[in-house]
Amino acid sequence: RKEVEQDPGPFNVPEGATVAFNCTYSNSASQSFFWYRQDCRKEPKLLMSVYSSGNEDGRFTAQLNRASQYISLLIRDSKLSDSATYLCAVNKADSWGKFQFGAGTQVVVTP
Amino acid sequence: EAQVTQNPRYLITVTGKKLTVTCSQNMNHEYMSWYRQDPGLGLRQIYYSMNVEVTDKGDVPEGYKVSRKEKRNFPLILESPSPNQTSLYFCASSLKFARLAGGDEQFFGPGTRLTVL
Repeated sequence: RKEVEQDPGPFNVPEGATVAFNCTYSNSASQSFFWYRQDCRKEPKLLMSVYSSGNEDGRFTAQLNRASQYISLLIRDSKLSDSATYLCAVNKADSWGKFQFGAGTQVVVTP
Repeated sequence: EAQVTQNPRYLITVTGKKLTVTCSQNMNHEYMSWYRQDPGLGLRQIYYSMNVEVTDKGDVPEGYKVSRKEKRNFPLILESPSPNQTSLYFCASSLKFARLAGGDEQFFGPGTRLTVL
């Protein structure tokens, strides 16, 4: 079993709709969580860090569920420009420099 | 402009021919890291460095070497490349490796597409 898992999708979303997806992690000691966006095999770019209390940035909301060991990303009022692959990243608590990424969830926003 | 640069961007080589992929950042970041990305596997960490002369293995270090002699540079060395090292490689850096309870934002380079024949 992979240590960080994501539904690969694609999630086909009509423009203006809401889409949400999760990322599960297996190391219960993990402390830091991130969502990155990646366009067409270009470099990943940080979308948002995920804090224990959850956080929101415009149309994007990230949540952390420690009990069930997953993080989630919700995109409201989807735009065509939101079409991308979304990668989750988890930092290992016992080795601060180590990061593990999920394989990504593809989102396709359609007109 | 704050950035992470990688060279070369594309490389086709043959098995066993030593190569180096350079990575440089101009943001005075302490932390740097190398990843490879393969279809269906996501980004896998090869090596990372938390400061000059401090490097450590990620999840897939076999067949790779790194060095961190200067803060800005973190080259990835393949002493004897093999076809299973054909991949898309990303270098990343962040201001520091940990911030309070978590890690810091990583800035990624544009990637190096390597093919080993």
